[in-house]
Amino acid sequence: DAKTTQPPSMDCAEGRAANLPCNHSTISGNEYVYWYRQIHSQGPQYIIHGLKNNETNEMASLIITEDRKSSTLILPHATLRDTAVYYCIPGGGSQGNLIFGKGTKLSVKP
Amino acid sequence: EAGVVQSPRYKIIEKKQPVAFWCNPISGHNTLYWYLQNLGQGPELLIRYENEEAVDDSQLPKDRFSAERLKGVDSTLKIQPAELGDSAVYLCASSHGAGGSYNEQFFGPGTRLTVL
Repeated sequence: DAKTTQPPSMDCAEGRAANLPCNHSTISGNEYVYWYRQIHSQGPQYIIHGLKNNETNEMASLIITEDRKSSTLILPHATLRDTAVYYCIPGGGSQGNLIFGKGTKLSVKP
Repeated sequence: EAGVVQSPRYKIIEKKQPVAFWCNPISGHNTLYWYLQNLGQGPELLIRYENEEAVDDSQLPKDRFSAERLKGVDSTLKIQPAELGDSAVYLCASSHGAGGSYNEQFFGPGTRLTVL
């Protein structure tokens, strides 16, 4: 399983874009990159996933570098409710297990 | 549609006592997971079910932990006897398991266990 490196914490001003980086240099060719987040006292919540191409949904955008060794999750207009721990997880699709690291604790401040 | 339901939300027991956690997954989800989450850490998989079958229990400490998923719906995770180090949040998740890249797991709120 690929290992990931994420900054332990980040701050972001409310209304600004939050860019959360993840290094996954050992990702294998058939592994996707999944992002989940965990708000305090709740279970993790799926955000987005991708393989090679950039992806966007109603929650966020995912930018994956061409060599797939790193990715960035973008919350375009962060709100206070986006304060959470964000996990970057390389994985093998619906038949694989998710291996969570420590993630990045994002604090959105007014 | 109801999400993943877990009970109890909180449990305080003394060491060496047994404890059980219950999970009701989202209707129609074939895959069910139990995770353990220690403070400041990400969730760690304990066991994964595909319908009634435990397809991955490699991380389940089988000397004291057991789990079952009768009829492929609800699941129970048991610890007997509990130790101080078992204090953690126990999370249940479910997914459709339909194949392909989509691996969205839906998590319950967890059960916070405190062993005294």
